[in-house]
Amino acid sequence: EPEVTQTPSHQVTQMGQEVILRCVPISNHLYFYWYRQILGQKVEFLVSFYNNEISEKSEIFDDQFSVERPDGSNFTLKIRSTKLEDSAMYFCASNGQGYGNTIYFGEGSWLTVV
Amino acid sequence: EDQVTQSPEALRLQEGESSSLNCSYTVSGLRGLFWYRQDPGKGPEFLFTLYSAGEEKEKERLKATLTKKESFLHITAPKPEDSATYLCAVEKGGKLIFGQGTELSVKP
Repeated sequence: EPEVTQTPSHQVTQMGQEVILRCVPISNHLYFYWYRQILGQKVEFLVSFYNNEISEKSEIFDDQFSVERPDGSNFTLKIRSTKLEDSAMYFCASNGQGYGNTIYFGEGSWLTVV
Repeated sequence: EDQVTQSPEALRLQEGESSSLNCSYTVSGLRGLFWYRQDPGKGPEFLFTLYSAGEEKEKERLKATLTKKESFLHITAPKPEDSATYLCAVEKGGKLIFGQGTELSVKP
């Protein structure tokens, strides 16, 4: 069964350092997303990406965050200067057909900022 | 304000004891309501999508239903392996708005 894969599964970084989280969405999917879940809290939307540009972003997704699809298979989330409050599980997700269709999630990348 | 609220927050059942989880929402322009299962430290695993009031979907011991304001996830004769957090999410504008989840524990 096709799946969304994410790397790394866990990363520990110093505050102020840059972090790149990587994702390989399900092949032939066209819509890509990043969500995050702070420990014990709800899953929160960060950003959606379609046709090589951001479709929508949340208030959380400020100038410290960026996304990129550098080639035909990878989708990345970059945090330029990490803060303690960025510690969370980050989920990549993809969707084949857009609005109203199933969004499939990866297993997550657990980011710890110290 | 768009909101998704799940109840109860936690549910403990004995194996074989059927029950229901609730998801109520106040979201305009609903395009779909999704149920996911999440195991500790893992990503949400897709279960069901419901699009219109009156719709029902089933998978093994799980059955999801939808009304205009809420959805129920019915668990019939649960087994210990059904223990997980069940997440409800509503799609609006291409993004999912999640509830806080119901943590289900099924004891043998």
